[in-house]
Amino acid sequence: GESVGLHLPTLSVQEGDNSIINCAYSNSASDYFIWYKQESGKGPQFIIDIRSNMDKRQGQRVTVLLNKTVKHLSLQIAATQPGDSAVYFCAENLNYGGSQGNLIFGKGTKLSVKP
Amino acid sequence: NAGVTQTPKFRILKIGQSMTLQCAQDMNHNYMYWYRQDPGMGLKLIYYSVGAGITDKGEVPNGYNVSRSTTEDFPLRLELAAPSQTSVYFCASSYDPHQQYFGPGTRLTVT
Repeated sequence: GESVGLHLPTLSVQEGDNSIINCAYSNSASDYFIWYKQESGKGPQFIIDIRSNMDKRQGQRVTVLLNKTVKHLSLQIAATQPGDSAVYFCAENLNYGGSQGNLIFGKGTKLSVKP
Repeated sequence: NAGVTQTPKFRILKIGQSMTLQCAQDMNHNYMYWYRQDPGMGLKLIYYSVGAGITDKGEVPNGYNVSRSTTEDFPLRLELAAPSQTSVYFCASSYDPHQQYFGPGTRLTVT
């Protein structure tokens, strides 16, 4: 079964507000977690990643938080803009048995930004 | 750089037909991947390659074949198309396994 899942399939926010997208995972052997953004009709685009030995990582307007105790990952987008409207996927890297770069993707959360 | 390119963009196949989805990258990445994405779902890994001459199965390899004769190209072959293979196919490449660069996708319909 799929080990990466999402709490909410859709999220609607007002432009300028902060967005929080959540993700649950079940495999303790995962050593990397990644967030991708997919705009309509396009391939996924890398946003940010975090190693399993970290709790938080910040990028430009984005922050990823990792809680290994409850196996939870979140993506925070500050000052959400219309261009942030997309489907966001979390993915985990199951680094075992020599399977390098074997990413397991969740189903995605659709973020809609209201002007 | 063109990045990751995929051809064709769209294709309709009849059941039992064969086709090859082309993927090329000009970033000199060692890692290349093929995923499929069904409507409203995440991506599932079909095959991947860690370098020229080396390929391995992903989560859903049945019905597909790949080859990697060069660093740049990673074609995906469907031998006997089935309706269950209707999907959007994405090719990706990477230097670091976590930061994968995706192509624009090929939308395949099997009827």
